[in-house]
Amino acid sequence: AQKITQTQPGMFVQEKEAVTLDCTYDTSDPSYGLFWYKQPSSGEMIFLIYQGSYDQQNATEGRYSLNFQKARKSANLVISASQLGDSAMYFCAMSHSGGGADGLTFGKGTHLIIQP
Amino acid sequence: NAGVMQNPRHLVRRRGQEARLRCSPMKGHSHVYWYRQLPEEGLKFMVYLQKENIIDESGMPKERFSAEFPKEGPSILRIQQVVRGDSAAYFCASSPQRTLAKNIQYFGAGTRLSVL
Repeated sequence: AQKITQTQPGMFVQEKEAVTLDCTYDTSDPSYGLFWYKQPSSGEMIFLIYQGSYDQQNATEGRYSLNFQKARKSANLVISASQLGDSAMYFCAMSHSGGGADGLTFGKGTHLIIQP
Repeated sequence: NAGVMQNPRHLVRRRGQEARLRCSPMKGHSHVYWYRQLPEEGLKFMVYLQKENIIDESGMPKERFSAEFPKEGPSILRIQQVVRGDSAAYFCASSPQRTLAKNIQYFGAGTRLSVL
């Protein structure tokens, strides 16, 4: 069974600093996808970034990058130059390989607060 | 290009009533997923549907819950005889295709169900 672990329930970071949100995963599937979503206080879920298990390079999307270390089964999200608007819950998630359940497995999230 | 549309945003029901949650996927998307989020928790997968077919309902409670995605119209998540434990945020997501791993799901804003 797949499992996502986010060990940081909450983080306080100064504005403009870089932030690393931790995510480790467990799966026996050789093919899988890793995702990060942002949930601001308004409640919607916003897709941020995706990394495939066979991708050779770490994914990047603007200020977001994913530090993918396959051997360690970690997929940490890095936010560069943090902004006040980055304050939100952040969820790491994993997709399953084809043929099985296609629902994403989510971690419990990290509550990030950016301080001015 | 409208995103995933869910309605209502908030729904209040008394114990024993029925709740109907609607979801219209993004244009061009034919795959719909439903998730439930309890307070202070990550999202839990419930069901995956394509038009007129339930593909995977492994996360659905066995009783009182049903889902459909008809040929015409939105996907519906139906909860019969609601109980207080059904109070949660229900999210719908859609994706354009089902591949082995790259299955980026885009979420709606959710429906917050409160059972009195």
